[in-house]
Amino acid sequence: AQSVTQPDIHITVSEGASLELRCNYSYGATPYLFWYVQSPGQGLQLLLKYFSGDTLVQGIKGFEAEFKRSQSSFNLRKPSVHWSDAAEYFCAVGARGGADGLTFGKGTHLIIQP
Amino acid sequence: DADVTQTPRNRITKTGKRIMLECSQTKGHDRMYWYRQDPGLGLRLIYYSFDVKDINKGEISDGYSVSRQAQAKFSLSLESAIPNQTALYFCATSEQHNSPLHFGNGTRLTVT
Repeated sequence: AQSVTQPDIHITVSEGASLELRCNYSYGATPYLFWYVQSPGQGLQLLLKYFSGDTLVQGIKGFEAEFKRSQSSFNLRKPSVHWSDAAEYFCAVGARGGADGLTFGKGTHLIIQP
Repeated sequence: DADVTQTPRNRITKTGKRIMLECSQTKGHDRMYWYRQDPGLGLRLIYYSFDVKDINKGEISDGYSVSRQAQAKFSLSLESAIPNQTALYFCATSEQHNSPLHFGNGTRLTVT
């Protein structure tokens, strides 16, 4: 079965600084990969996804992520964060041809300092 | 209107009570899911359904049951609620196998 690790429970970044959130997955083949964002009191919103092809994927709100097969990673980046980016971020993996439903990491809570 | 609607948004119930959480969708997706979110644990899959005749257990199905009344409706039941079922519950839909999930806004359930 697949699994996802988000090593950082909390990250604090100054407004305007760059951001990288880490995600490592465990799966025997190339998985489907996703990043979701959850604002307080809200459901999860899809930021971006990787299925195949170009390993650098662009998402909404200025986010991007890079799939690195050799490192089993799918890190999320943003060059300059805004106060509105403060939220919980989840990495998720789906198995090709396997059981349905995504497996989520435990989340990273992003705090933005003024 | 939201594409995936969960009712109620909040519910407080007592140990031993039966409770049902409801989910309806207007996206026309066949696949529907129930997840549970606990602080520090992320989201865990409870049940999922491909259509009204196809129900599958997820990672943590014990203590829960589901009903797929129609393509657009998928309800989650707790037959006898217990305090460790206090959590935020999300319904989601998807178009096909492991395609992106579309989430409702969640139901916050407290079992006292």
